[in-house]
Amino acid sequence: KQEVTQIPAALSVPEGENLVLNCSFTDSAIYNLQWFRQDPGKGLTSLLLIQSSQREQTSGRLNASLDKSSGRSTLYIAASQPGDSATYLCAGGDKDQGGKLIFGQGTELSVKP
Amino acid sequence: SAVISQKPSRDICQRGTSLTIQCQVDSQVTMMFWYRQQPGQSLTLIATANQGSEATYESGFVIDKFPISRPNLTFSTLTVSNMSPEDSSIYLCSALVGENTEAFFGQGTRLTVV
Repeated sequence: KQEVTQIPAALSVPEGENLVLNCSFTDSAIYNLQWFRQDPGKGLTSLLLIQSSQREQTSGRLNASLDKSSGRSTLYIAASQPGDSATYLCAGGDKDQGGKLIFGQGTELSVKP
Repeated sequence: SAVISQKPSRDICQRGTSLTIQCQVDSQVTMMFWYRQQPGQSLTLIATANQGSEATYESGFVIDKFPISRPNLTFSTLTVSNMSPEDSSIYLCSALVGENTEAFFGQGTRLTVV
């Protein structure tokens, strides 16, 4: 059974810092790995999707990597801004399980001006 | 990408009543899901909404409590039945889009049961 873990649970950084959020998963047969952003009381916004055959994806200041052999993914945020403050969730997809996602607990990020 | 519209966005309901949440996708999708996010928690899958057949429920969730409809490839509803305060959560619908099966989510329904 796939389990997804995220560390740290919360992170506070000053504006302008580069930061890394970590995600680990137990089943290397993961189909894809997706990073989401969630603002308080809101739905999820898809940030990056990495297929199992890929090593990384980039979008603007965001870069996500996937290492299936070690069961890890990272989300790198460059030059953080106060608007980046949100909860970041990673989720592993399992095609054999009908495409459902298994979510980590999330990392609550606060970027201080 | 896909735009998923979910309504209502929030509601306050009396215990013992039922609420139906609607989810509309702006394109035809094969896979739709319903998730629950309890206060301070991550997302837990309730069920997969299957078009033309009964939904597939995850362990701990049953059809009598969370009946789901999926009449076509763009629309689904989730009903929370006989509500209790423990049902107070955010409920989110999701769809897988495209060959890469990227997941998109609605904006969520914040339910408070009093």
